[in-house]
Amino acid sequence: DQQVKQNSPSLSVQEGRISILNCDYTNSMFDYFLWYKKYPAEGPTFLISISSIKDKNEDGRFTVFLNKSAKHLSLHIVPSQPGDSAVYFCAASDRYGGSQGNLIFGKGTKLSVKP
Amino acid sequence: EAGVTQFPSHSVIEKGQTVTLRCDPISGHDNLYWYRRVMGKEIKFLLHFVKESKQDESGMPNNRFLAERTGGTYSTLKVQPAELEDSGVYFCASSAQGLAYEQYFGPGTRLTVT
Repeated sequence: DQQVKQNSPSLSVQEGRISILNCDYTNSMFDYFLWYKKYPAEGPTFLISISSIKDKNEDGRFTVFLNKSAKHLSLHIVPSQPGDSAVYFCAASDRYGGSQGNLIFGKGTKLSVKP
Repeated sequence: EAGVTQFPSHSVIEKGQTVTLRCDPISGHDNLYWYRRVMGKEIKFLLHFVKESKQDESGMPNNRFLAERTGGTYSTLKVQPAELEDSGVYFCASSAQGLAYEQYFGPGTRLTVT
């Protein structure tokens, strides 16, 4: 049973607009969340993370929002650029449960940013 | 600084054969992880080394998979004998001590079992 769910396999956005990628999780013990970006034939690249003690983390054009009560997080990209076109993976971990880096990934959402 | 490297990039083998995948982590990274992504599915954790010791191998599918990290440097993942369902992309990642969640991924090895 999937503990991290990305229910949208794909998303298409116009250049300059906002991209919003969503992620839901089921395990209430998760306390650290990450977003990775993946281009074809490359490994995932770390993008941004958030601890469960926060509800927002921002890094340039990328912002992650966490709603613990809803077990939901989202990644906002503003403004979207064609180079942002990639597959985005949401990942979660239970840091204090002894996982020591065992990341639980969603299936990914393919973002296409059209010029 | 060189990133995580994996060899080979692609491997096509027949069912019943043996394949060995190699991962070279970023120099100095004590933590090394193996993950696998079967087509269309999520990336799944296989195991975690701290230096040469297996910290967590709870994700290993079965005893046909054997991972080693001799000397705490590079790691190998052997599949013997390979089955059709082993096909997928195998990713290796590494991270520094104390920064387990800042994982740097390699490009992956695409394994096809026919």
